[in-house]
Amino acid sequence: NAGVTQTPKFQVLKTGQSMTLQCAQDMNHEYMSWYRQDPGMGLRLIHYSVGAGITDQGEVPNGYNVSRSTTEDFPLRLLSAAPSQTSVYFCASSYYPGVEDYGYTFGSGTRLTVV
Amino acid sequence: RKEVEQDPGPFNVPEGATVAFNCTYSNSASQSFFWYRQDCRKEPKLLMSVYSSGNEDGRFTAQLNRASQYISLLIRDSKLSDSATYLCVVNGGGSQGNLIFGKGTKLSVKP
Repeated sequence: NAGVTQTPKFQVLKTGQSMTLQCAQDMNHEYMSWYRQDPGMGLRLIHYSVGAGITDQGEVPNGYNVSRSTTEDFPLRLLSAAPSQTSVYFCASSYYPGVEDYGYTFGSGTRLTVV
Repeated sequence: RKEVEQDPGPFNVPEGATVAFNCTYSNSASQSFFWYRQDCRKEPKLLMSVYSSGNEDGRFTAQLNRASQYISLLIRDSKLSDSATYLCVVNGGGSQGNLIFGKGTKLSVKP
């Protein structure tokens, strides 16, 4: 059981480049989300999905796109990378967010640097 | 007022000490509460849920006071391996129920 798998683990981009961060889970979780974590800022929600075909914006969605074509996969796309997007990105999944005992399972993170 | 507030620490304690972390949340509609642990350069991992009646898991005890919108985590007999950042997490309320994370309290347990 792999849990939540994120790729790549590290990435360096030039300003203006685009890329996709991959996230896959094998736990049949309906809920998936993307967070970014910056020093002193804590984890901030970028986008989330409550099931295949359904996505919505979180707290800091600008500059990012998502799609959810299958239950298993939830890729995050950076459209035109900016230095302000330098961060650690975590993907998380759950049967249902916020229900007692149904906390999130996190992927191991992607460390992104935009130069 | 920030949605979930924690003392950032760091808390530096000797092995065997008892340490308590506090957290306040602003959304009275929140229904679910958690403590997560995050080791340096690692992903957050669920430590325990927090129930209205309070709950215990070995050396860890969590308490919830809904009237004061206050959550606590008590660690007894601290171990070196308890050194980490502890995140207070609250369900944001509403139909989607997204979790909102505090910025974390850093704990360092010394020999």
